Amino acid sequence: GAVVSQHPSWVICKSGTSVKIECRSLDFQATTMFWYRQFPKQSLMLMATSNEGSKATYEQGVEKDKFLINHASLTLSTLTVTSAHPEDSSFYICSAEGLAGAYQETQYFGPGTRLLVL
Amino acid sequence: RKEVEQDPGPFNVPEGATVAFNCTYSNSASQSFFWYRQDCRKEPKLLMSVYSSGNEDGRFTAQLNRASQYISLLIRDSKLSDSATYLCVVNLGTDSWGKLQFGAGTQVVVTP
Repeated sequence: GAVVSQHPSWVICKSGTSVKIECRSLDFQATTMFWYRQFPKQSLMLMATSNEGSKATYEQGVEKDKFLINHASLTLSTLTVTSAHPEDSSFYICSAEGLAGAYQETQYFGPGTRLLVL
Repeated sequence: RKEVEQDPGPFNVPEGATVAFNCTYSNSASQSFFWYRQDCRKEPKLLMSVYSSGNEDGRFTAQLNRASQYISLLIRDSKLSDSATYLCVVNLGTDSWGKLQFGAGTQVVVTP
C-alpha cells in the first residue's frame, strides 16, 4: 500500500515552455499533497502544500504564478512550471499524506520528476 | 542557521561494522522526527520514525535527545545495501503538522 506515482519521470524542454507534473496517490486518498524541489547535493525544499479543493500554500520565495498547483481530487495534484528557465532545472518530488488510518500523518513520496530546461 | 543540520559525510564503513551519526534541529517545538533513506537519484523512503524513548528496527537504532535537540541513527552489522544518503527529517512544530523540514543528508558508503 501507500504508493505515490509521478508522471513524467523526466522532462527535457526548451526555455519558455510550460511543464506539467502529475502526482497521484494510487491506493489511498490524500487530503494533503506536498511539492518539494531538490537541487544536486542539497536537501529537499518544500515549495508548497496542496489541500484538495483549496488553494495551495506556498513557501516563502516560491512564486505562485510560476509554479501553479491544482489539487483536483483526493488522489491527484498537479504542478505546472510555467515559462520554465534553466534555473528551474531540478528534481521535483511530491508527497501525499493519507486521509485516515495507517496512511494518516505519514508522507509517502513519489519517485520524482527530473526537469532539465535547455 | 539551518533548521536541520547533518554532517554530509561520507562515512566510509567496512561491511559488518557499526556506524552512527547525528542530526541537530533548531526548533525546540518540533514534534516529530524521522529518518529517511535516499538512494542516488531516487525519492526519499521512510526508514523509521524516532520516538522519545528511542526505538530499534532490526539493525537500525534511533535516539532522540530533546534537551540537546538532536537525533541519532546507528546502523549495526552494515550491509553493502545500506549505502545511501540518510536524511534527518523534522516536523516543524505543532502548528505546522505535516510540514517536514529535511536535512541535506549524511552519505554512508559501505565497503566490502
